[in-house]
Amino acid sequence: QVQLQESGPGLVKPSETLSLTCDVAGYSISSGYYWGWIRQPPGKGLEWIGSIYHSGSTYYNPSLKSRVTISVDTSKNQFSLKLSSVTAADTAVYYCARPTTVTRHDAFDIWGQGTMVTVSS
Amino acid sequence: QSVLTQPPSVSAAPGQKVTVSCSGSSPNMGNNYASWYQQLPGTAPKLLIYDNNKRPSGIPDRFSGSKSGTSATLGITGLQTGDEADYYCGTWDSSLSAVVFGGGTKLTVL
Repeated sequence: QVQLQESGPGLVKPSETLSLTCDVAGYSISSGYYWGWIRQPPGKGLEWIGSIYHSGSTYYNPSLKSRVTISVDTSKNQFSLKLSSVTAADTAVYYCARPTTVTRHDAFDIWGQGTMVTVSS
Repeated sequence: QSVLTQPPSVSAAPGQKVTVSCSGSSPNMGNNYASWYQQLPGTAPKLLIYDNNKRPSGIPDRFSGSKSGTSATLGITGLQTGDEADYYCGTWDSSLSAVVFGGGTKLTVL
């Protein structure tokens, strides 16, 4: 059974960099899939941040692309998110997720529990 | 403002049927598969439908999906109080090279 678990600071100061990690259990990242990050501001809808393939190729939301870096560490079986120059608008629950099939970026059937990140001084 | 448009809310009585619409455009819904998610309060989204009309293992057949042109529809029959949740549509946008979601629809079972 594949399981995802997000981790990272729950509080980040404005203008600093938000850093989160998603640990993958029950499946080797090296075997494939586009591993994704999605966020949800309080009381609002879902927003896709980006995805990374095990080879390191990345796809980013155009609206966040200038501030986002997603990386993968196959030796630790985890992938990470960095979002720079954060503001209060980046306050959200951040989820990592995996799509249903190896060739797809969307249709996420496996999700982490989510981690709340608040941007505040 | 979301790329995909959903009604903010829908409602129906227990046992009845409800549909949720999701409208997009050619680069997204028009040329890619639709997915639907259910999100109960305080929990991660759960995939209900993928590839327009396929259900993951464990999803009851009360949930169905369809797509026509640039719009997709989620159907739920035999409504239960436990179906009260937010529902989101999603797809790939070939022009943006990005995953896009609808703004979400809150289902109330009266």
